[in-house]
Amino acid sequence: EDKVVQSPLSLVVHEGDTVTLNCSYEVTNFRSLLWYKQEKKAPTFLFMLTSSGIEKKSGRLSSILDKKELSSILNITATQTGDSAIYLCAVPNTGNQFYFGTGTSLTVIP
Amino acid sequence: GAGVSQSPSNKVTEKGKDVELRCDPISGHTALYWYRQSLGQGLEFLIYFQGNSAPDKSGLPSDRFSAERTGGSVSTLTIQRTQQEDSAVYLCASSLGFTGLGQPQHFGDGTRLSIL
Repeated sequence: EDKVVQSPLSLVVHEGDTVTLNCSYEVTNFRSLLWYKQEKKAPTFLFMLTSSGIEKKSGRLSSILDKKELSSILNITATQTGDSAIYLCAVPNTGNQFYFGTGTSLTVIP
Repeated sequence: GAGVSQSPSNKVTEKGKDVELRCDPISGHTALYWYRQSLGQGLEFLIYFQGNSAPDKSGLPSDRFSAERTGGSVSTLTIQRTQQEDSAVYLCASSLGFTGLGQPQHFGDGTRLSIL
């Protein structure tokens, strides 16, 4: 059965800390992995990863895929209170149905 | 508007009633998804429309759930004879057509459904 698992489920850090969020997957015919940030309502797209070992970066956020380990990490450096959100990982199957993990809830304390 | 629009934003109804949730995707997006998000849970896939193809209904939890997409644009998710376990946020997303990699989805703000 295809599935996506994220860890940790929740995380509380202080401003300025660096965090690493994990996503592992078991999806037939893997093609890509996507990260989303969900604050109050709509998830917003962060990254799409297709190739192993190539880091995608946007400001203080970066992500990398490891196809050998069937996993991806999302790093956030110098965290700010505005980074507080649920971070979702998703992997599409061959039918373009997306499997989402349960998310990691990040809380950044001032 | 430029984004995915969902209505209503909140819906409270009594157990046993039917509800209709609406999604207006981004213009030009041929793919449309419905998801359900329960408290503390991830997104649960419900149904997927791609252009004029038959929808992928494999995620619908029971035959009380149905969805249609008229004219390849607006979609309606209908829940008949609602039950308390149907209470959740229903999210709609749209994306450009299937490319083989999985296009990033653009989400609406969701409809928060509460069944009394």
